[in-house]
Amino acid sequence: SQQGEEDPQALSIQEGENATMNCSYKTSINNLQWYRQNSGRGLVHLILIRSNEREKHSGRLRVTLDTSKKSSSLLITASRAADTASYFCATVRADRGSTLGRLYFGRGTQLTVWP
Amino acid sequence: DAGVIQSPRHEVTEMGQEVTLRCKPISGHDYLFWYRQTMMRGLELLIYFNNNVPIDDSGMPEDRFSAKMPNASFSTLKIQPSEPRDSAVYFCASSPGLAGDKEQYFGPGTRLTVT
Repeated sequence: SQQGEEDPQALSIQEGENATMNCSYKTSINNLQWYRQNSGRGLVHLILIRSNEREKHSGRLRVTLDTSKKSSSLLITASRAADTASYFCATVRADRGSTLGRLYFGRGTQLTVWP
Repeated sequence: DAGVIQSPRHEVTEMGQEVTLRCKPISGHDYLFWYRQTMMRGLELLIYFNNNVPIDDSGMPEDRFSAKMPNASFSTLKIQPSEPRDSAVYFCASSPGLAGDKEQYFGPGTRLTVT
């Protein structure tokens, strides 16, 4: 079963603009990860944020985590046409009913960046 | 390292035929995951292995699906007999150490079409 829900489902912006994608989840987590998938390719890991962290940066990416609201956001600054892809959040659950080691993926946000 | 290798990249078969998908994980990775991705259901975890042992196969849709990992460098996902609703992209992923704390590395996927 899926854990995360990304919002919006689709986002269309111009090059140079910032793109913000959100992820909400239902249970307590150990960490949350963001992945990117280009059309016709496998997923590629972008960034991992642990439950005791609030913000993390990697190049033009900024991820925030609010465990009280059970939500995360991924910000891509100064977007480029090459950023066009689907973006997924995935959680590692901390509840007893979850299986150690597995990720629970959301349905993804399709980002289109127009040149 | 070549990354996770999957074969074939594309498979077209007729309903009722046996299909075997293959995966070679990244050397040294202890965890191997099989996922299925469709437009309707998104990314679903089918099964995963730790040190060649199946840990969670609750996502395997039915008895027609089986997965094996005879050694640390090879895994197969078999569908017998195949049905049109099995049409999807099947991904293999591997992860080093405790998967819940590490990123997963995805292969390019096998696009399966069952007619």
